Amino acid sequence: AQSVTQLDSHVSVSEGTPVLLRCNYSSSYSPSLFWYVQHPNKGLQLLLKYTSAATLVKGINGFEAEFKKSETSFHLTKPSAHMSDAAEYFCVVSDWGSGTYKYIFGTGTRLKVLA
Amino acid sequence: EAGVVQSPRYKIIEKKQPVAFWCNPISGHNTLYWYLQNLGQGPELLIRYENEEAVDDSQLPKDRFSAERLKGVDSTLKIQPAELGDSAVYLCASSWRTGGIPRETQYFGPGTRLLVL
Repeated sequence: AQSVTQLDSHVSVSEGTPVLLRCNYSSSYSPSLFWYVQHPNKGLQLLLKYTSAATLVKGINGFEAEFKKSETSFHLTKPSAHMSDAAEYFCVVSDWGSGTYKYIFGTGTRLKVLA
Repeated sequence: EAGVVQSPRYKIIEKKQPVAFWCNPISGHNTLYWYLQNLGQGPELLIRYENEEAVDDSQLPKDRFSAERLKGVDSTLKIQPAELGDSAVYLCASSWRTGGIPRETQYFGPGTRLLVL
């Protein structure tokens, strides 16, 4: 079965420094992968998604992620953190089989940005 | 364009009482999802509708949870009776599904935060 692992439950960075949120997945086929962000008391918002086109995906607010099939990874990066980036981030993989599908969410990484 | 609308935003009830959540998806979206999100966890699917049909309800606790999506638009999720362990955030999402391998973006509402006392 497909699964997704977010390697860090909490990440702290200083404002202006790079952000790296790590995500590994397992899939028996060519998956779709997503990163969503959730600010407190808000719904989840799509940051970016990979759907078998370019392996380097650019998203909103300066975020990007690289799909690496050999490493089964889809890490999220941003060159320079902003205070407004503080939120919970979820990596998601689509699970397809037997004619049906699910979206499998990771357990989340809480990003803290220090002034 | 309006996003996914959920109500109420917050609900506090005593255990054994019934509760209902309402979701209005983005106009034109054929697929609607209900998720449960416990504190510190990622969302977990409860039920997925394609138009009016519940195509995946394998994770819905059917002894106390029920859902409906009349006319393939709005949806209601009900819990009766509620238990202490049902305290969580209930998220609704919608998407436009075209078939095949799932690649579509889900759009989420703000959620309903339920506290069962």
